[in-house]
Amino acid sequence: GENVEQHPSTLSVQEGDSAVIKCTYSDSASNYFPWYKQELGKGPQLIIDIRSNVGEKKDQRIAVTLNKTAKHFSLHITETQPEDSAVYFCAANLGNTGNQFYFGTGTSLTVIP
Amino acid sequence: KAGVTQTPRYLIKTRGQQVTLSCSPISGHRSVSWYQQTPGQGLQFLFEYFSETQRNKGNFPGRFSGRQFSNSRSEMNVSTLELGDSALYLCASKLADDGTQYFGPGTRLLVL
Repeated sequence: GENVEQHPSTLSVQEGDSAVIKCTYSDSASNYFPWYKQELGKGPQLIIDIRSNVGEKKDQRIAVTLNKTAKHFSLHITETQPEDSAVYFCAANLGNTGNQFYFGTGTSLTVIP
Repeated sequence: KAGVTQTPRYLIKTRGQQVTLSCSPISGHRSVSWYQQTPGQGLQFLFEYFSETQRNKGNFPGRFSGRQFSNSRSEMNVSTLELGDSALYLCASKLADDGTQYFGPGTRLLVL
């Protein structure tokens, strides 16, 4: 099956700085890569996703890049704010009928005011 | 449109008991997946249901089971609870096979 690795496990940045979280996957057939943000006491919320036919996607301060050859994808958060503090998960999915999502182990991001 | 809802939100059980958790997907979503989240193991896939049929299963013992009803609502059951079953159980739904998966708030289960 698919194996998703995520780094770093914890990340602290000053407010206004950028944060980058990286994930690698093992199955070259994976073609859908969402990122989730989980705040304390809540379920994961989708913040951005990318499909394998796209190399980069941006939504305001959040961007995701995908390198299919190297099988890695990254989350970039610019101009970080205290409310960005949360645990972030990457995931990979084959995009086919009945297949499951494979999640990274999460990155705890702390934005220091 | 209402999001994924899960009931109950919190549950305390003792070892050996069984528990049933409920999930109502987003209206129109026919795929419902269940995950177990623990600090040590992260998010682990339990199973997925689509149109009342289980079509994918993770690596969990048979004590973990589920079902889906004709209105796409799903339940998962854990029998003979063990201390290690204490976790946040998350339900997620999606509209299409290549669609975005949306999570509910989870049910936090504590086994004493």
